[in-house]
Amino acid sequence: DQQVKQNSPSLSVQEGRISILNCDYTNSMFDYFLWYKKYPAEGPTFLISISSIKDKNEDGRFTVFLNKSAKHLSLHIVPSQPGDSAVYFCAALGGGTSYGKLTFGQGTILTVHP
Amino acid sequence: DGGITQSPKYLFRKEGQNVTLSCEQNLNHDAMYWYRQDPGQGLRLIYYSQIVNDFQKGDIAEGYSVSREKKESFPLTVTSAQKNPTAFYLCASSPTGAPTNEKLFFGSGTQLSVL
Repeated sequence: DQQVKQNSPSLSVQEGRISILNCDYTNSMFDYFLWYKKYPAEGPTFLISISSIKDKNEDGRFTVFLNKSAKHLSLHIVPSQPGDSAVYFCAALGGGTSYGKLTFGQGTILTVHP
Repeated sequence: DGGITQSPKYLFRKEGQNVTLSCEQNLNHDAMYWYRQDPGQGLRLIYYSQIVNDFQKGDIAEGYSVSREKKESFPLTVTSAQKNPTAFYLCASSPTGAPTNEKLFFGSGTQLSVL
Protein backbone atom coordinates (compact mmCIF):
# COMPACT_ATOMS: atom_id res chain seq x y z
CA ASP A 1 0.00 0.00 0.00
CA GLN A 2 1.76 3.08 -1.31
CA GLN A 3 0.73 5.94 0.96
CA VAL A 4 2.80 8.53 -0.89
CA LYS A 5 2.74 8.48 -4.67
CA GLN A 6 4.58 10.36 -7.35
CA ASN A 7 2.77 9.31 -10.48
CA SER A 8 5.13 10.93 -12.96
CA PRO A 9 8.35 8.92 -13.21
CA SER A 10 10.03 11.67 -15.22
CA LEU A 11 9.71 15.29 -16.28
CA SER A 12 11.62 17.19 -18.95
CA VAL A 13 11.76 21.01 -18.90
CA GLN A 14 13.60 23.72 -20.79
CA GLU A 15 16.04 25.90 -18.86
CA GLY A 16 14.39 29.02 -17.53
CA ARG A 17 10.89 27.55 -17.53
CA ILE A 18 8.90 26.29 -14.56
CA SER A 19 9.21 22.72 -13.29
CA ILE A 20 6.21 21.32 -11.42
CA LEU A 21 6.60 18.06 -9.58
CA ASN A 22 3.53 16.46 -8.05
CA CYS A 23 2.90 14.18 -5.12
CA ASP A 24 -0.29 12.59 -3.77
CA TYR A 25 -0.87 10.96 -0.42
CA THR A 26 -3.62 8.84 1.03
CA ASN A 27 -3.11 9.08 4.78
CA SER A 28 -4.93 12.13 6.14
CA MET A 29 -2.92 11.86 9.37
CA PHE A 30 0.27 13.01 7.66
CA ASP A 31 1.10 16.43 9.07
CA TYR A 32 4.47 17.33 7.64
CA PHE A 33 5.80 17.02 4.12
CA LEU A 34 9.29 17.26 2.70
CA TRP A 35 11.03 17.25 -0.65
CA TYR A 36 14.44 15.70 -1.15
CA LYS A 37 16.73 15.97 -4.15
CA LYS A 38 19.02 13.15 -5.17
CA TYR A 39 21.88 13.00 -7.65
CA PRO A 40 23.08 9.62 -9.02
CA ALA A 41 25.20 7.58 -6.60
CA GLU A 42 24.64 10.11 -3.84
CA GLY A 43 22.33 10.29 -0.86
CA PRO A 44 19.25 12.55 -0.99
CA THR A 45 19.55 16.05 0.41
CA PHE A 46 16.76 17.97 2.05
CA LEU A 47 15.25 20.68 -0.15
CA ILE A 48 12.12 22.19 1.37
CA SER A 49 9.30 21.26 3.71
CA ILE A 50 5.79 22.31 4.65
CA SER A 51 3.61 21.81 7.68
CA SER A 52 -0.01 20.78 7.25
CA ILE A 53 -1.11 24.05 8.85
CA LYS A 54 0.23 25.93 5.84
CA ASP A 55 -0.62 25.82 2.18
CA LYS A 56 2.54 27.34 0.77
CA ASN A 57 6.20 27.58 1.65
CA GLU A 58 8.77 29.39 -0.45
CA ASP A 59 12.56 29.26 -0.43
CA GLY A 60 14.27 31.05 -3.26
CA ARG A 61 13.45 29.34 -6.55
CA PHE A 62 11.59 26.54 -4.77
CA THR A 63 7.97 26.70 -3.63
CA VAL A 64 5.92 23.88 -2.19
CA PHE A 65 2.13 23.99 -2.29
CA LEU A 66 -0.12 21.83 -0.16
CA ASN A 67 -3.78 21.10 -0.90
CA LYS A 68 -5.03 19.14 2.08
CA SER A 69 -8.53 18.58 0.75
CA ALA A 70 -7.09 16.96 -2.36
CA LYS A 71 -4.24 15.30 -0.43
CA HIS A 72 -1.86 16.73 -2.97
CA LEU A 73 1.36 18.65 -2.85
CA SER A 74 3.53 20.07 -5.55
CA LEU A 75 7.03 21.48 -5.86
CA HIS A 76 7.56 24.42 -8.21
CA ILE A 77 11.03 25.34 -9.41
CA VAL A 78 11.27 28.73 -11.11
CA PRO A 79 13.35 29.32 -13.12
CA SER A 80 14.63 25.80 -13.76
CA GLN A 81 18.35 25.35 -14.22
CA PRO A 82 20.37 22.44 -15.65
CA GLY A 83 21.84 21.84 -12.20
CA ASP A 84 18.33 21.05 -10.96
CA SER A 85 18.40 17.82 -12.98
CA ALA A 86 18.05 15.09 -10.36
CA VAL A 87 15.56 12.72 -8.80
CA TYR A 88 13.07 14.42 -6.52
CA PHE A 89 11.39 12.52 -3.70
CA CYS A 90 8.47 13.74 -1.68
CA ALA A 91 8.11 12.37 1.82
CA ALA A 92 5.53 12.56 4.58
CA LEU A 93 5.67 12.38 8.34
CA GLY A 94 2.99 11.50 10.84
CA GLY A 95 0.01 9.29 10.26
CA GLY A 96 0.56 7.32 13.39
CA THR A 97 3.99 6.19 12.35
CA SER A 98 6.86 6.16 14.73
CA TYR A 99 8.74 9.33 15.42
CA GLY A 100 11.03 10.38 12.63
CA LYS A 101 9.83 7.69 10.27
CA LEU A 102 9.33 9.24 6.87
CA THR A 103 7.26 7.66 4.11
CA PHE A 104 8.73 8.34 0.67
CA GLY A 105 7.24 8.49 -2.80
CA GLN A 106 8.80 6.69 -5.76
CA GLY A 107 10.64 9.73 -7.03
CA THR A 108 10.46 11.82 -10.22
CA ILE A 109 13.45 12.24 -12.50
CA LEU A 110 13.71 15.89 -13.54
CA THR A 111 15.78 16.76 -16.60
CA VAL A 112 16.36 20.44 -17.36
CA HIS A 113 17.65 21.02 -20.87
CA PRO A 114 19.93 23.99 -21.63
CA ASP B 1 33.37 18.28 8.49
CA GLY B 2 30.30 16.75 10.09
CA GLY B 3 28.47 14.14 8.11
CA ILE B 4 27.54 10.55 7.49
CA THR B 5 30.01 8.11 6.01
CA GLN B 6 28.93 4.90 4.36
CA SER B 7 31.34 2.22 3.26
CA PRO B 8 32.05 0.56 1.00
CA LYS B 9 30.60 2.44 -1.96
CA TYR B 10 30.22 -0.80 -3.92
CA LEU B 11 29.83 -4.28 -2.47
CA PHE B 12 29.37 -7.70 -4.02
CA ARG B 13 27.76 -10.62 -2.26
CA LYS B 14 28.03 -14.27 -3.12
CA GLU B 15 25.09 -16.59 -2.71
CA GLY B 16 24.61 -17.64 0.91
CA GLN B 17 26.99 -15.00 2.23
CA ASN B 18 26.32 -12.39 4.90
CA VAL B 19 27.68 -8.92 4.25
CA THR B 20 27.83 -5.87 6.49
CA LEU B 21 27.41 -2.28 5.39
CA SER B 22 29.03 0.37 7.53
CA CYS B 23 27.46 3.68 8.56
CA GLU B 24 29.18 6.22 10.80
CA GLN B 25 28.03 9.72 11.71
CA ASN B 26 29.72 12.54 13.61
CA LEU B 27 26.68 14.81 13.74
CA ASN B 28 25.86 13.77 17.31
CA HIS B 29 22.43 12.63 16.12
CA ASP B 30 20.47 10.24 18.27
CA ALA B 31 18.44 8.62 15.52
CA MET B 32 19.78 6.57 12.63
CA TYR B 33 18.04 4.80 9.77
CA TRP B 34 18.65 2.35 6.95
CA TYR B 35 16.73 2.69 3.70
CA ARG B 36 16.76 0.64 0.55
CA GLN B 37 16.23 2.11 -2.91
CA ASP B 38 15.16 0.01 -5.87
CA PRO B 39 14.63 1.37 -9.39
CA GLY B 40 11.18 2.91 -9.76
CA GLN B 41 10.47 2.68 -6.06
CA GLY B 42 10.72 5.07 -3.22
CA LEU B 43 13.04 4.71 -0.28
CA ARG B 44 11.84 1.90 1.93
CA LEU B 45 12.75 1.76 5.60
CA ILE B 46 14.62 -1.35 6.74
CA TYR B 47 15.53 -0.57 10.35
CA TYR B 48 15.80 2.49 12.53
CA SER B 49 17.24 3.34 15.91
CA GLN B 50 16.23 6.27 18.06
CA ILE B 51 18.81 5.70 20.76
CA VAL B 52 21.86 3.60 21.53
CA ASN B 53 21.16 -0.08 22.24
CA ASP B 54 17.67 0.17 20.81
CA PHE B 55 16.37 -0.36 17.28
CA GLN B 56 13.08 -1.08 15.56
CA LYS B 57 12.05 -2.92 12.43
CA GLY B 58 10.97 -0.84 9.49
CA ASP B 59 8.74 -1.89 6.63
CA ILE B 60 11.11 -4.43 5.04
CA ALA B 61 13.27 -5.80 7.85
CA GLU B 62 13.20 -9.46 6.82
CA GLY B 63 16.63 -10.74 5.88
CA TYR B 64 18.44 -7.86 7.58
CA SER B 65 19.93 -7.25 11.01
CA VAL B 66 21.40 -4.21 12.74
CA SER B 67 23.17 -3.21 15.93
CA ARG B 68 23.53 0.12 17.71
CA GLU B 69 26.28 -0.27 20.27
CA LYS B 70 27.59 3.24 19.77
CA LYS B 71 25.82 6.50 19.01
CA GLU B 72 28.02 7.09 15.99
CA SER B 73 27.61 3.71 14.33
CA PHE B 74 24.69 1.76 12.88
CA PRO B 75 25.93 -1.17 10.76
CA LEU B 76 23.52 -3.16 8.60
CA THR B 77 24.03 -6.86 7.90
CA VAL B 78 22.40 -8.31 4.82
CA THR B 79 21.96 -11.97 5.62
CA SER B 80 21.64 -14.95 3.31
CA ALA B 81 17.93 -14.93 4.13
CA GLN B 82 17.52 -11.77 2.03
CA LYS B 83 16.75 -13.30 -1.35
CA ASN B 84 16.83 -10.12 -3.38
CA PRO B 85 19.60 -7.99 -1.87
CA THR B 86 20.65 -6.10 -4.99
CA ALA B 87 19.80 -2.46 -4.29
CA PHE B 88 21.19 0.92 -3.31
CA TYR B 89 21.37 1.19 0.48
CA LEU B 90 21.16 4.54 2.22
CA CYS B 91 21.95 5.32 5.82
CA ALA B 92 20.54 8.44 7.42
CA SER B 93 20.50 10.20 10.75
CA SER B 94 18.44 12.88 12.42
CA PRO B 95 18.41 14.77 15.69
CA THR B 96 15.58 13.94 18.07
CA GLY B 97 13.71 15.86 20.67
CA ALA B 98 11.43 18.09 18.65
CA PRO B 99 8.42 17.06 16.57
CA THR B 100 9.78 18.46 13.36
CA ASN B 101 13.30 17.12 13.67
CA GLU B 102 12.42 14.94 10.78
CA LYS B 103 14.99 16.23 8.34
CA LEU B 104 17.12 13.28 7.56
CA PHE B 105 20.77 13.64 6.67
CA PHE B 106 21.82 10.91 4.27
CA GLY B 107 25.09 9.24 3.51
CA SER B 108 26.24 8.73 -0.06
CA GLY B 109 25.01 5.15 -0.21
CA THR B 110 26.29 1.64 -0.86
CA GLN B 111 25.41 -0.25 -4.04
CA LEU B 112 25.11 -3.93 -3.22
CA SER B 113 25.09 -6.49 -6.01
CA VAL B 114 24.85 -10.26 -6.00
CA LEU B 115 27.49 -12.27 -7.87
